[in-house]
Amino acid sequence: RKEVEQDPGPFNVPEGATVAFNCTYSNSASQSFFWYRQDCRKEPKLLMSVYSSGNEDGRFTAQLNRASQYISLLIRDSKLSDSATYLCVVGGGSYIPTFGRGTSLIVHP
Amino acid sequence: EPEVTQTPSHQVTQMGQEVILRCVPISNHLYFYWYRQILGQKVEFLVSFYNNEISEKSEIFDDQFSVERPDGSNFTLKIRSTKLEDSAMYFCASTGTGNYGYTFGSGTRLTVV
Repeated sequence: RKEVEQDPGPFNVPEGATVAFNCTYSNSASQSFFWYRQDCRKEPKLLMSVYSSGNEDGRFTAQLNRASQYISLLIRDSKLSDSATYLCVVGGGSYIPTFGRGTSLIVHP
Repeated sequence: EPEVTQTPSHQVTQMGQEVILRCVPISNHLYFYWYRQILGQKVEFLVSFYNNEISEKSEIFDDQFSVERPDGSNFTLKIRSTKLEDSAMYFCASTGTGNYGYTFGSGTRLTVV
């Protein structure tokens, strides 16, 4: 199975900080890319899709680099409530969505 | 907002017993999945289902596992003879085309004792 790799962290940052996560994928035929958020013992929830041109949703910015086969997530002005595990998911259509191991983020006061 | 519904939320079973985990995917979705997550580990793919048949399965999905879509709404995962190592959170997910993400149910926590 094709792999998706993430730095597990944890990333420990103060409130207000900017933090960035990267995720690499091995299947060059991948078509869809997503960032999910998972709180402890909860289901993964879609944070945002990642588009080829890059996209932004409030404090969150996602980028895709097809040539280097990675996606990134930038969180600006971190809040305490951003503390969670961020999962990179690669897939699309009938392709199996493949999860990264997740990057743990801890935002402290 | 449409939801994927899973029942039960928590199931405790004795080793060797059969369990059935139930899911109701979003009604107009076409692709259905089962994943599991052992505590502290990554989300692992088990099986995908499309057009009333399994489209792909992982090496985890051995003969002890089966899936069914017995009617137009339910999607079930059966484990025939549970083992201690089957203890995990089991997530059902569905998508329309996969281009807009996958919606996950809140999971069933299976504890095998």
